Amino acid sequence: KQEVTQIPAALSVPEGENLVLNCSFTDSAIYNLQWFRQDPGKGLTSLLLIQSSQREQTSGRLNASLDKSSGRSTLYIAASQPGDSATYLCAVSTGTASKLTFGTGTRLQVTL
Amino acid sequence: GAVVSQHPSRVICKSGTSVKIECRSLDFQATTMFWYRQFPKQSLMLMATSNEGSKATYEQGVEKDKFLINHASLTLSTLTVTSAHPEDSSFYICSASGPQGMDNQPQHFGDGTRLSIL
Repeated sequence: KQEVTQIPAALSVPEGENLVLNCSFTDSAIYNLQWFRQDPGKGLTSLLLIQSSQREQTSGRLNASLDKSSGRSTLYIAASQPGDSATYLCAVSTGTASKLTFGTGTRLQVTL
Repeated sequence: GAVVSQHPSRVICKSGTSVKIECRSLDFQATTMFWYRQFPKQSLMLMATSNEGSKATYEQGVEKDKFLINHASLTLSTLTVTSAHPEDSSFYICSASGPQGMDNQPQHFGDGTRLSIL
């Protein structure tokens, strides 16, 4: 059974800092890995999707890497802003029907 | 593109009531829809997977008679929580994938429904 873990569970940083969120998964036989953002009481916004054959994806200040063999992914956020405050979830797709297994999430707070 | 609309966003009702939640794909055909449940400060847990025109596949531990799922068209899936009780209070989120109907399609998420049973 696939298990996804995210470290740290919570993180508070001052504005402008670069930061790294970590995601690990137990079964390396994945189709893809996604990073999502969730604001309180809201649904999920997809940030980046990395296919199993890819090593990284970039979008603006966000960069996600994938090391499938070691079961790890990182989300790098450059020059953090208060608007980045949210919960960040990683999820891996395994098996058929695009089923996703979600991590436990990292609650990020960026302070002024 | 790839917008998923979920309605209602919030429901408050008495114990014993049945509640229906709708999930619509607005600009694509969703061959597969997923229903998740999220408890406070926890991650999403998959409840069931539904394919258009066929019965939903429920995850272990999810009562199919309690959580009725209908996926009658390529743009609409519904989740009905039957005879809801306070322990059913939670945040329910749907997602949809498609339109090619192939495996490994990305999922697009709705904004969720906050269900509170008094």
